[in-house]
Amino acid sequence: AQTVTQSQPEMSVQEAETVTLSCTYDTSENNYYLFWYKQPPSRQMILVIRQEAYKQQNATENRFSVNFQKAAKSFSLKISDSQLGDTAMYFCAFMKHQTGANNLFFGTGTRLTVIP
Amino acid sequence: SAVISQKPSRDICQRGTSLTIQCQVDSQVTMMFWYRQQPGQSLTLIATANQGSEATYESGFVIDKFPISRPNLTFSTLTVSNMSPEDSSIYLCSVGTGGTGELFFGEGSRLTVL
Repeated sequence: AQTVTQSQPEMSVQEAETVTLSCTYDTSENNYYLFWYKQPPSRQMILVIRQEAYKQQNATENRFSVNFQKAAKSFSLKISDSQLGDTAMYFCAFMKHQTGANNLFFGTGTRLTVIP
Repeated sequence: SAVISQKPSRDICQRGTSLTIQCQVDSQVTMMFWYRQQPGQSLTLIATANQGSEATYESGFVIDKFPISRPNLTFSTLTVSNMSPEDSSIYLCSVGTGGTGELFFGEGSRLTVL
């Protein structure tokens, strides 16, 4: 079974500063995807960034980047130049890289507050 | 990408009644999923909605309680049957297009059971 752990229930960061959200996971799979999703108060789950396990290079999307450590089963999210609109719940998620198994396993989430 | 519409957006229901939530996608998709998000919690997969066959339920979820239909590749419904206050949650429809592994989500249906 896959498990995803987010050890930081809440975090805060000053506007324009950098914050890192932690995520670890446990799996016996070798091929898989990892994701960070953002859920603002509107409830819409929005994909922030994705990483394919076979890629060694860390994914980057504008101000968002990850530190993927496959051996350590760690997948942290770094948000640079934090903006007020980044305030949301952030969920780390795992998906097997397997046909017909495209469901996501989610962590418990980290509530991020960006302080003006 | 995919645009997903869920109805209703929210509802307040009485104990013992049933509610059906609809999920409409703007394109044909292979994978459709239903998730539950209890207050302050993470998302838990209820079932995979299979087109033309019975849904595949995760451990702890049964068809009698959460019947699911998927008549075509763009539409699915989830019914929450014989509701109790413990069923108060956000129910989210999600679809996968298969290529990138990414799932797209609807805005969710917030259900409150009194």
